[in-house]
Amino acid sequence: DVKVTQSSRYLVKRTGEKVFLECVQDMDHENMFWYRQDPGLGLRLIYFSYDVKMKEKGDIPEGYSVSREKKERFSLILESASTNQTSMYLCASSLWGQPNTGELFFGEGSRLTVL
Amino acid sequence: SQQGEEDPQALSIQEGENATMNCSYKTSINNLQWYRQNSGRGLVHLILIRSNEREKHSGRLRVTLDTSKKSSSLLITASRAADTASYFCAKRRETSGSRLTFGEGTQLTVNP
Repeated sequence: DVKVTQSSRYLVKRTGEKVFLECVQDMDHENMFWYRQDPGLGLRLIYFSYDVKMKEKGDIPEGYSVSREKKERFSLILESASTNQTSMYLCASSLWGQPNTGELFFGEGSRLTVL
Repeated sequence: SQQGEEDPQALSIQEGENATMNCSYKTSINNLQWYRQNSGRGLVHLILIRSNEREKHSGRLRVTLDTSKKSSSLLITASRAADTASYFCAKRRETSGSRLTFGEGTQLTVNP
């Protein structure tokens, strides 16, 4: 069964801490994405990557960075966590392909609370 | 900014009834996808409709796409309590490569 695994389901961190959210997929997908989900705002794209060591900013990259050293792993980094980064973070992956494809496979999410 | 308004924001129906959710968008798309999310979980892909398609079926799901009105609908027939979830439409815009833009979602509650 194909899978996207996020390392932590629930995290509680303090303001100013550095936070790592890890995501691993076992489908050999080229594309990987980080979204955050907030009530009333839906899913907003933070960063995505279409290849190892490649990254592109999404709609809300401020306060975040990412790392993709291996094809199967995509990490989201909060350099100095702030309370407004309290949210549900969702990782997803998809195949690089024709424009008329591109189903996303999601992880179970990581709920981050910053105190 | 988010594109694609979804309505209604919330929908409550009885088991056995049909549920219809709508999604609109502003720019041309290659395809539109619908996802489901159970509370506190990740999203699961339901169905994809391409810009040159008008209707698609999958089990009790029926999706329509009207590119002239820039809108799509998801119909769930003969709903069950287990259909209770949030439903999101996601657009793959012509100019956005592999990116999908999600709507705000519709919270569907099916009462037994």
